[in-house]
Amino acid sequence: LAKTTQPISMDSYEGQEVNITCSHNNIATNDYITWYQQFPSQGPRFIIQGYKTKVTNEVASLFIPADRKSSTLSLPRVSLSDTAVYYCLVGPLGSSNTGKLIFGQGTTLQVKP
Amino acid sequence: DAGVIQSPRHEVTEMGQEVTLRCKPISGHDYLFWYRQTMMRGLELLIYFNNNVPIDDSGMPEDRFSAKMPNASFSTLKIQPSEPRDSAVYFCASRDSDQETQYFGPGTRLLVL
Repeated sequence: LAKTTQPISMDSYEGQEVNITCSHNNIATNDYITWYQQFPSQGPRFIIQGYKTKVTNEVASLFIPADRKSSTLSLPRVSLSDTAVYYCLVGPLGSSNTGKLIFGQGTTLQVKP
Repeated sequence: DAGVIQSPRHEVTEMGQEVTLRCKPISGHDYLFWYRQTMMRGLELLIYFNNNVPIDDSGMPEDRFSAKMPNASFSTLKIQPSEPRDSAVYFCASRDSDQETQYFGPGTRLLVL
């Protein structure tokens, strides 16, 4: 599974847009990029997933450049409740998916009032 | 659906005692995962099952750890004998083979004195 690199921590203020970038230089052709969010005292939960270009859902947007060696999770207008750890994961899906998820250290986002 | 259910939510025990953690996956999910999370090592995959069969237990730290899945709706993770370094939060997660998202339980916070 491709290794990922993310900033250890980030600070933001309420109402701002937050962008968290993940590097995955060794991403394989059949790998997808998935982001999970973990609140204190809870298990991680799925946020968004993509393969290339841009994906948007009700929670976030995911930007993936053409070379796919990095990706950026964008959280619009964050609130205090967005304070959490955000994990970037890279791996194959579908028939190639062995089921394993390898979590890195993640990015701890602290949203301040 | 109630989501992934784990019990107990908190466990305090003394070194040398046997500890059993329990998990009920989401109904219909055919993958079940056990993770351990600590500040030092982050979120680690211990073992996972597909259709009640252990597929990969390479993350199990040592022989003191064992996991079973006697049926599709129940799994246990046992530590015998427990040691202080086993103190961590243990998460169970499940997934449907037709989907890529893993759903995590609330975790069991284990403290071994």
